[in-house]
Amino acid sequence: DAKTTQPPSMDCAEGRAANLPCNHSTISGNEYVYWYRQIHSQGPQYIIHGLKNNETNEMASLIITEDRKSSTLILPHATLRDTAVYYCIVRGPGANAGNMLTFGGGTRLMVKP
Amino acid sequence: NAGVTQTPKFQVLKTGQSMTLQCAQDMNHNSMYWYRQDPGMGLRLIYYSASEGTTDKGEVPNGYNVSRLNKREFSLRLESAAPSQTSVYFCASRPGQVHQPQHFGDGTRLSIL
Repeated sequence: DAKTTQPPSMDCAEGRAANLPCNHSTISGNEYVYWYRQIHSQGPQYIIHGLKNNETNEMASLIITEDRKSSTLILPHATLRDTAVYYCIVRGPGANAGNMLTFGGGTRLMVKP
Repeated sequence: NAGVTQTPKFQVLKTGQSMTLQCAQDMNHNSMYWYRQDPGMGLRLIYYSASEGTTDKGEVPNGYNVSRLNKREFSLRLESAAPSQTSVYFCASRPGQVHQPQHFGDGTRLSIL
């Protein structure tokens, strides 16, 4: 799986957009970008994933650069409940045993009033 | 809207006791997973089941056994609990298509004294 790099922490004002970057410069052609978040003491929550096109769902938008070497997760109107650790994971189909997910350090997003 | 349900949510065991952690999903997913998460660390895969009737070892299988009882249920058993197995255990499931994301339960917090 491609290695990912994320800033360790970010702050965002409540009601503003939170833009979380992820660098994955070694991504290969069949690897997807996944975003999860983990709110303290809860299970990881799937947010969104994509291959090369930008994606949007009810939770967030995912912008992937044309060369696919980086991506940005956008939470359009952050709330206090969005305070969590956000993980960017890159992986391809059948990359390792059982398609297990490897969670790196992630970005700790603090949404402030 | 149950998703992945884990029981129990909390458990305290004495060293040497045995216990089974239960996991059930109602999303008709083919693959199921057991991870553990130690404080301040990422998730590590214990065992997985790619489809009903199959199970395979992950990164850290020693001290654990699993049973894929049917398509819905995947249990994790500790035969003789050790303090090193104190952790938060997460179950996840995934549809058949390999690029689809995993969805997690809320975890079982297990303490072994």
